[in-house]
Amino acid sequence: NAGVMQNPRHLVRRRGQEARLRCSPMKGHSHVYWYRQLPEEGLKFMVYLQKENIIDESGMPKERFSAEFPKEGPSILRIQQVVRGDSAAYFCASSPPSSQETQYFGPGTRLLVL
Amino acid sequence: DQQVKQNSPSLSVQEGRISILNCDYTNSMFDYFLWYKKYPAEGPTFLISISSIKDKNEDGRFTVFLNKSAKHLSLHIVPSQPGDSAVYFCAPMNYGGATNKLIFGTGTLLAVQP
Repeated sequence: NAGVMQNPRHLVRRRGQEARLRCSPMKGHSHVYWYRQLPEEGLKFMVYLQKENIIDESGMPKERFSAEFPKEGPSILRIQQVVRGDSAAYFCASSPPSSQETQYFGPGTRLLVL
Repeated sequence: DQQVKQNSPSLSVQEGRISILNCDYTNSMFDYFLWYKKYPAEGPTFLISISSIKDKNEDGRFTVFLNKSAKHLSLHIVPSQPGDSAVYFCAPMNYGGATNKLIFGTGTLLAVQP
């Protein structure tokens, strides 16, 4: 049973470009969470999605960031017009509908903005 | 506004001895508490959790204690092994709320010396 998959593992973008981060939850998991870890900081919640629905986006920056979890395919975290301050590790976690209290994390995508 | 504090940034312990990692929180709405271990360049790995209706949960070498009145929890690892060397995060949630977002502490770097 594969764990949470994230790709790419590393992503380099120049300022102003777009970054797309993908997350495939564990099999049978319908809840997806995105967290960000800035350098020298702990993980911070960004957004919580269920299939085709955004449940809580209280941690998402108001501009340039968006997330989706379509009926088919992975969850996508999209960052438009990236800036240097977006450089961070972005982690995706998933949980099953029957046991939502435990979240299982993927390996993360490390975004570097030049 | 830091709701979750892990006041020891680092801890060094001899192999075979007990490691005690502490976590304090301020939000009385938290009712489920998780501990994660994280190696560099990897995602957090779930270790153990405890519900607010309990004061102790044990799983092998790992035991978590919860003192609700003091808003304090601790993770005990005994005996400690060199492979336990990692950053440990305390991550509570309000499981009964509308969202299951985790609020991460700043982490404690545990070094187990052979």
